[in-house]
Amino acid sequence: QKEVEQDPGPLSVPEGAIVSLNCTYSNSAFQYFMWYRQYSRKGPELLMYTYSSGNKEDGRFTAQVDKSSKYISLFIRDSQPSDSATYLCAMSAYNDMRFGAGTRLTVKP
Amino acid sequence: GAVVSQHPSWVICKSGTSVKIECRSLDFQATTMFWYRQFPKQSLMLMATSNEGSKATYEQGVEKDKFLINHASLTLSTLTVTSAHPEDSSFYICSARDGGRGQHPDTQYFGPGTRLTVL
Repeated sequence: QKEVEQDPGPLSVPEGAIVSLNCTYSNSAFQYFMWYRQYSRKGPELLMYTYSSGNKEDGRFTAQVDKSSKYISLFIRDSQPSDSATYLCAMSAYNDMRFGAGTRLTVKP
Repeated sequence: GAVVSQHPSWVICKSGTSVKIECRSLDFQATTMFWYRQFPKQSLMLMATSNEGSKATYEQGVEKDKFLINHASLTLSTLTVTSAHPEDSSFYICSARDGGRGQHPDTQYFGPGTRLTVL
């Protein structure tokens, strides 16, 4: 079993849809959770980060962490074609970071 | 802030030659830098962790003599692919960690990547 599991997709949604991206993990030591967005042929860029269980909102993006279930989510409201990218979850414990496989998202106009 | 650059952005070379890729943190000091490899439509694969002033730590299966890493300063790490072969063609991405910016010290900031094609 991988430490971080993420469905690679691809996921295709119409413009304006709510997108839900998810990761599960097995290591309860993970304390810091991140979401990166990677456009094609570019390096990943940090989108959101959170330390604790609960929700964190930034514009159209909401990051959710449920430590009891070892489950994190990223929600994108009113999705736009410019959101089309690969989204990678990442989590760390004591300088040790692990990435998910990434989910490829396409938002169709 | 937290900008990481890579140079070159793409390179094409002949089989058997060596290629050097530079990774720079532009507005912060990076005590730790990471080198990743990414194949098309696949996730990041960590190759090595580079700490300033010390030898890099390579992941299992990564040949240290083939992928030479030098982290000579707090803002620069280099990856040299020696005697490159077509199977080394890939997208190489570096990242840098800066624990002094108020965010969590584990946060990695990525460069834009370097696409290597070996003919």
